[in-house]
Amino acid sequence: DTAVSQTPKYLVTQMGNDKSIKCEQNLGHDTMYWYKQDSKKFLKIMFSYNNKELIINETVPNRFSPKSPDKAHLNLHINSLELGDSAVYFCASSQGIGWTGNTIYFGEGSWLTVV
Amino acid sequence: GESVGLHLPTLSVQEGDNSIINCAYSNSASDYFIWYKQESGKGPQFIIDIRSNMDKRQGQRVTVLLNKTVKHLSLQIAATQPGDSAVYFCAENGAMDSNYQLIWGAGTKLIIKP
Repeated sequence: DTAVSQTPKYLVTQMGNDKSIKCEQNLGHDTMYWYKQDSKKFLKIMFSYNNKELIINETVPNRFSPKSPDKAHLNLHINSLELGDSAVYFCASSQGIGWTGNTIYFGEGSWLTVV
Repeated sequence: GESVGLHLPTLSVQEGDNSIINCAYSNSASDYFIWYKQESGKGPQFIIDIRSNMDKRQGQRVTVLLNKTVKHLSLQIAATQPGDSAVYFCAENGAMDSNYQLIWGAGTKLIIKP
């Protein structure tokens, strides 16, 4: 069973569209994250939720909106997609807050291409 | 902080040799450090971590060394195998200065030569 699963794995869409990426973890973790990885492989955190509450909200355009219906799910909705949004988006989870020493488990990534 | 490197650093190693991947961290207040491995087409995967009260920690075929004096972290992989080909990331926690998030390094691509 996949611990952190995200869908879709590949997404090609036109500029201006709205799209969602879904994420679920079956590890019983309290904290979930969305990361963006650019073409140079740099990982940048976007959001983090702990027990469904937003705890990290980095400087991302407000076209990006996370939603956590419960502790096991953290979805990412993107409005009015732009070319610069093309990247790999990783969902992740950890038992507690990752920076205190809790191992972060990543999903396989969602490859978003905006054309 | 953010990396603004123009390219991904690459390390080429002969199969069977030892690999050493280096990382300079930025925050002297950091007290927790991690190494992750990202294989092509996959998400990053935890390898090993170390706290600042240690200077060395060993895992299976991997060793992490921490030099707090010069803010340097290294990952040593013994007897490198083709399956070790990946991008390796170090991360630090920045302690209270980091807004409660890990600070990720830029990554190093490890290529194994047959």
